[in-house]
Amino acid sequence: DTGVSQNPRHKITKRGQNVTFRCDPISEHNRLYWYRQTLGQGPEFLTYFQNEAQLEKSRLLSDRFSAERPKGSFSTLEIQRTEQGDSAMYLCASRDKGGTTETQYFGPGTRLLVL
Amino acid sequence: AQSVTQLGSHVSVSEGALVLLRCNYSSSVPPYLFWYVQYPNQGLQLLLKYTSAATLVKGINGFEAEFKKSETSFHLTKPSAHMSDAAEYFCAVRLVFGAGTILRVKS
Repeated sequence: DTGVSQNPRHKITKRGQNVTFRCDPISEHNRLYWYRQTLGQGPEFLTYFQNEAQLEKSRLLSDRFSAERPKGSFSTLEIQRTEQGDSAMYLCASRDKGGTTETQYFGPGTRLLVL
Repeated sequence: AQSVTQLGSHVSVSEGALVLLRCNYSSSVPPYLFWYVQYPNQGLQLLLKYTSAATLVKGINGFEAEFKKSETSFHLTKPSAHMSDAAEYFCAVRLVFGAGTILRVKS
């Protein structure tokens, strides 16, 4: 399977714990995006990378959220000191280096539940 | 700045009937417009995209959308609904998504 993969698919944690999600993009894609999707809403853009450079992070929801893409391949999204309001689906998408159409390919998401 | 408005959070049609899902956008730059479909507990799948070529865009599964600049609209249509079309549909302009429309197909 050459699509975008995300792990874990589901995560249940207690309030105050840290969580980390992983995204593996399509191999030749150099742009990687993170979104949050809450119930009844569309995806909300958080941040994106071009190769290993994080080009936009002002949309990260708070300083508890951080993302990395150290080698320009997979990426991780970490949420520190989780709160119940962080419960959501976290989606990753990737886009190829060529073209100008900004077509993204989405992974299946990681569903987070904070108790 | 961009924004997307999807009119109707829920749409219900009979099997074989026309599907019309509405999307209006605002964008200060030439828009790249997308429609995605999302099945329960899955990621988003691209249905079609507008990239300033033809204003009538054909996508997968028999869906199409027409870009109307004067109306700032990009409505999604399908002539005949199938049970398998039941899902949630999202319109997007660049990185900004609408709130989604859940399509229900009645037998």
